[in-house]
Amino acid sequence: DAGVTQSPTHLIKTRGQQVTLRCSPKSGHDTVSWYQQALGQGPQFIFQYYEEEERQRGNFPDRFSGHQFPNYSSELNVNALLLGDSALYLCASSLLGQAGTGNEQYFGPGTRLTVT
Amino acid sequence: ELKVEQNPLFLSMQEGKNYTIYCNYSTTSDRLYWYRQDPGKSLESLFVLLSNGAVKQEGRLMASLDTKARLSTLHITAAVHDLSATYFCAVVLPSSGSARQLTFGSGTQLTVLP
Repeated sequence: DAGVTQSPTHLIKTRGQQVTLRCSPKSGHDTVSWYQQALGQGPQFIFQYYEEEERQRGNFPDRFSGHQFPNYSSELNVNALLLGDSALYLCASSLLGQAGTGNEQYFGPGTRLTVT
Repeated sequence: ELKVEQNPLFLSMQEGKNYTIYCNYSTTSDRLYWYRQDPGKSLESLFVLLSNGAVKQEGRLMASLDTKARLSTLHITAAVHDLSATYFCAVVLPSSGSARQLTFGSGTQLTVLP
């Protein structure tokens, strides 16, 4: 059973460029959340996608956008990159409304984005 | 706005010693998570705590939750080098409903010395 996968692993971009990161959720999951983790900090919630729509958004500018496909995979797009966008981007998948005591969000290995 | 504070931020301890990491949060929440992160790696889920007084244990780690005090602790017993990592607590934002948006603390970087 494949867990959450993300691509690419590492990425180097220049200020002002655009980037697309990809995430495939764990089998059976239908919801994808994206987090940004700057060096030395805890992850911060960017947004969550369910049924191909953004259903919740954190405190991030419109330069950050996303998409979810019918197979539940997701993309994170960042336009007009800034140096401050350098971070580890984590994708987490879950099953909407899952109750119980399980660890509902499963995190992928992350994409390390460096903006120069 | 939900705030999650961890302390200490940095912790060096000798092998065999005990210590506790604290996680305070500002708003009532129905669940709290503890994660481990090794350098350059993703988050590994350790515990989920759902109710007041909940206690979970796995090996040398034990987590507890006091919802009235809005406090969770992660206790390390007889530390070994393999426990060296950064530990995060994360609280579900109450207003996020079934989305279960997580708000993370800043992390505690633990180094276990021989």
